[in-house]
Amino acid sequence: SAVISQKPSRDICQRGTSLTIQCQVDSQVTMMFWYRQQPGQSLTLIATANQGSEATYESGFVIDKFPISRPNLTFSTLTVSNMSPEDSSIYLCSVARGPHYTDTQYFGPGTRLTVL
Amino acid sequence: AQTVTQSQPEMSVQEAETVTLSCTYDTSESDYYLFWYKQPPSRQMILVIRQEAYKQQNATENRFSVNFQKAAKSFSLKISDSQLGDAAMYFCAYRPETSGSRLTFGEGTQLTVNP
Repeated sequence: SAVISQKPSRDICQRGTSLTIQCQVDSQVTMMFWYRQQPGQSLTLIATANQGSEATYESGFVIDKFPISRPNLTFSTLTVSNMSPEDSSIYLCSVARGPHYTDTQYFGPGTRLTVL
Repeated sequence: AQTVTQSQPEMSVQEAETVTLSCTYDTSESDYYLFWYKQPPSRQMILVIRQEAYKQQNATENRFSVNFQKAAKSFSLKISDSQLGDAAMYFCAYRPETSGSRLTFGEGTQLTVNP
């Protein structure tokens, strides 16, 4: 498994502002992902963070709203831009050692975001 | 589209008893992996158990075991000798060979363990 940390663990933000969430892994991993979990809901994949290139976004998520960086194999950031109350969710970072479907995904502790 | 369905929003079990959580999925893929993740109130997603679709033998991890029925597209989780620490939201997840690493999650089942 991998040890994954996220910062901040929680935050309360004002409408219209932006928040950047950091994800740090204790070892190099090939794949890093960002998920959103809205209150009482399941997890939805936002995007795959690609090292050295633009992230791959899922349907319904766009780069202008959720810009992602991945400067190396152990670190990624997700920014939630121009926030509204509908962005209040838990945001989770996930990693896998390889791109194959047999590679297990491990999750960070999540960031609980509340937008007022 | 690939979907994962957990038809039990909530389940409860007495401590030391056995409980089974249901999961069904829809796919046309032949090779895939299935997972059960646990999310306690701390919200940390913890891998409980995983099953390779090409393996007929059901996976087991200590008190956790699965009943994998490939033809029926069913993947239930059995928790034996339930403990208070097992109380959590349980998510079933699916990842086919063609999806790369993309996971599709079910809606979750909230498990309560009564002392």
